Amino acid sequence: QVTLRESGPALVKPTQTLTLTCTFSGFSLSTSGMCVSWIRQPPGKALEWLALIDWDDDKYYSTSLKTRLTISKDTSKNQVVLTMTNMDPVDTATYYCARISYSSGHFDYWGQGTLVTVSS
Amino acid sequence: QLVLTQSPSASASLGASVKLTCTLSSGHSSYAIAWHQQQPEKGPRYLMKLNSDGSHSKGDGIPDRFSGSSSGAERYLTISSLQSEDEADYYCQTWGTGIGVVFGGGTKLTVL
Repeated sequence: QVTLRESGPALVKPTQTLTLTCTFSGFSLSTSGMCVSWIRQPPGKALEWLALIDWDDDKYYSTSLKTRLTISKDTSKNQVVLTMTNMDPVDTATYYCARISYSSGHFDYWGQGTLVTVSS
Repeated sequence: QLVLTQSPSASASLGASVKLTCTLSSGHSSYAIAWHQQQPEKGPRYLMKLNSDGSHSKGDGIPDRFSGSSSGAERYLTISSLQSEDEADYYCQTWGTGIGVVFGGGTKLTVL
């Protein structure tokens, strides 16, 4: 059974750095073609893709946010970490992690999401 | 540029059928997409992958009421025998090498 769970702070202050962790089970990120991605959704708005890391440690970022994002993995812990620098109130959103594979090109399992509010 | 376009809203009556559309941008009509459902106050749920030839593969536990089809650059999600729990936002999503992941803007489905 594949599961993903996001964790991190519920509240961050403007200009701070956000660190989120995705802990997953039921698959291995050392399997060829396997990837984990981060997606966010501001309240009442659409889904926005942020970043992706693959089994080979290749990383891909949203063009509009790439200067602020870093994605990394710890295969032994089944975790993927996303950091986002210089947080702003417009970054208030629910942040999701999801599994994707190169062979499919789509997300097939999602976490339940974690709401991050940016406010002083 | 790889873009997915969806109508912002759709509505249909309980027990009826509805067809949602996701349109791929010019030059990308061969791309497969995925449909995801997001019920109110919940995270997204994978529904199906839909290929350009209309073949599709559904996620675990997705009812037969959900089906997909394709025509040119358009990808469709048809929901038959609408139930109240089908009221949700529906997103299409694709992936491009060197581009990354792309989402459509979502369609909010209201079941009347």
